[in-house]
Order: sequence, then structure tokens, then C-alpha cells
Amino acid sequence: NAGVTQTPKFQVLKTGQSMTLQCAQDMNHNSMYWYRQDPGMGLRLIYYSASEGTTDKGEVPNGYNVSRLNKREFSLRLESAAPSQTSVYFCATAELGGGNTIYFGEGSWLTVV
Amino acid sequence: QKEVEQDPGPLSVPEGAIVSLNCTYSNSAFQYFMWYRQYSRKGPELLMYTYSSGNKEDGRFTAQVDKSSKYISLFIRDSQPSDSATYLCAMSEGGGATNKLIFGTGTLLAVQP
Repeated sequence: NAGVTQTPKFQVLKTGQSMTLQCAQDMNHNSMYWYRQDPGMGLRLIYYSASEGTTDKGEVPNGYNVSRLNKREFSLRLESAAPSQTSVYFCATAELGGGNTIYFGEGSWLTVV
Repeated sequence: QKEVEQDPGPLSVPEGAIVSLNCTYSNSAFQYFMWYRQYSRKGPELLMYTYSSGNKEDGRFTAQVDKSSKYISLFIRDSQPSDSATYLCAMSEGGGATNKLIFGTGTLLAVQP
């Protein structure tokens, strides 16, 4: 049981390049999330998808887009990467009405130079 | 002022010590409280989950919530080197997937053998 799988694990981008972070879950959860984690800032929600077919902005959505491809997959796209987007990105899933018990992936380390 | 405040540490204790980790918050509407453990270069994993006020015990771990003081604690008894990690508190107003979790910045704990 893989849980929540993120790819790639590490990536270096040049300013202005685009890329997509992929996330897939086998937990049969309805809700999926993308967070970023920065020193001194904690985990901040970028976008979330409460259920298949819906997406909503979180706390820090600027510069990102998401796609809920199906129930299992939720991708995060950086259209034009900026150094401020250097961060660790975590995908997460949760059951609806589960008291927000969220399960995280292993993380994707992104550096924008 | 952040909604959730957490001392970043680091906190260093000898093996076998009792550890107390704390968070304060300002939003009186928070009802769901969680503690996550995050090992270096890994995603956060759910450790404890509490609804409203009171205590919850799970093995060597005890979570306490004092809503009147807007203060939550995690106690670790008989601490082990394997408990060395960053501990994140998290809380939300509701239990549905659209009720966003607010995270503390995390406390780094080191248990010395």
C-alpha cells in the first residue's frame, strides 16, 4: 500500500520554466491537497480538491494551478517558476468528514534558480 | 500575529525524559486539534487527534486541549531517540474537507541516548 505518492522527489528549475508536480493516492480518499513548507512559515495550503471535479484556492495560490485528473490524481503546475517558489511541496489526502485527519506524501523538493 | 504559535525549539532532552510540547492559538472557533510528527526529509504523519477539550492517551503519548486558555499540549513519556523529529500542531474549525487545517511552524525535538 503506497498511500500518497509524489513525483518528482527533487527538481531544480530555472526562473521562468514550467513544471508539474504529480500526486497519486491509493487510499480511496475524496479530498486532496497541496501544501508548501518553508522555514519559519510552517505548512501552508496552496490548493485543495474536496472531491473529484472540484478545486479551490487555499492560502497561497498565486503562481500555481491544479488539476484533479480523477479521484486518485491531483497535480500542481508552476507555469513560470520564480525563486520565491523554492520550497518543499507536500500532497495530502483526507476522508470527507474525517475530522481533517490528513495523510501526507513524502514531499517534493523544488529549487528555482 | 499568527493564528497558531509554536516554539520552534530545538528542544534537547535525555533518553527517558518526559517531553512537553505546546501550541497556543487565537481562534476560539477551532474544535479539531492534531499533532503530526515529521522526520527529516519525510512527510508529516498523524500522531494524535482530539476533538474539543480534554485529554487523549495513546501509548507513551498524551494530547491535552484546554480551549478556555487556547492552549494544547503533547506529552511524550519515556522519550526515545526514535522520537527525535519535528512535531507540528494543527487545528481546524470544522471536520469537513473544506475546513482548512492551520499548522504551527513545528518544534524540533532531539532525544539524546
